[in-house]
Amino acid sequence: EDKVVQSPLSLVVHEGDTVTLNCSYEVTNFRSLLWYKQEKKAPTFLFMLTSSGIEKKSGRLSSILDKKELSSILNITATQTGDSAIYLCAVEASGGADGLTFGKGTHLIIQP
Amino acid sequence: SQTIHQWPATLVQPVGSPLSLECTVEGTSNPNLYWYRQAAGRGLQLLFYSVGIGQISSEVPQNLSASRPQDRQFILSSKKLLLSDSGFYLCAWSVSRVWAESNFGPGTRLTVT
Repeated sequence: EDKVVQSPLSLVVHEGDTVTLNCSYEVTNFRSLLWYKQEKKAPTFLFMLTSSGIEKKSGRLSSILDKKELSSILNITATQTGDSAIYLCAVEASGGADGLTFGKGTHLIIQP
Repeated sequence: SQTIHQWPATLVQPVGSPLSLECTVEGTSNPNLYWYRQAAGRGLQLLFYSVGIGQISSEVPQNLSASRPQDRQFILSSKKLLLSDSGFYLCAWSVSRVWAESNFGPGTRLTVT
């Protein structure tokens, strides 16, 4: 059974801090890993990672995949209160149509 | 461009009542369709997926069922709701296994009382 574990489950930091969110996975026939941001509604797509060691970057957010360690990290620098959300990690396996397997998410709270 | 619709947006139902949530996709043909549920404090759990009309695969045993009467329509149903059915239900689609923000519907927040 495919499995995705995120840590920490919750995190409270002050505005301006840098945070690192972790995601590890066990999946048969790994195809891609995705990061989403969720704020009380449908998830917002952040990144899709397929190749190991290549950083994806968008503004203050960046992510990298380590296929050897079966893990990924999501970094947010200079955090803002608008970054408060649940960050979801999901993996996709090849060879089937059975969608994405999600972790439980990291609930990030940015205090002013 | 593709769009996905879900309704209703919110729903409050008593225990034991029936349920019908509908999802439709526009702008694509023969999509894979998915129902996910997010319970409080949990990640998104895949409930059902469908690769074509009338073809439904269930990921977890439960008192819910799904149907796909048309190519771009996916319905989630229950004959009798349980308290544990409360949660946020998301419909999603994919074609050629491409995932992005546009793949998810707006969701239905279901509260069973």
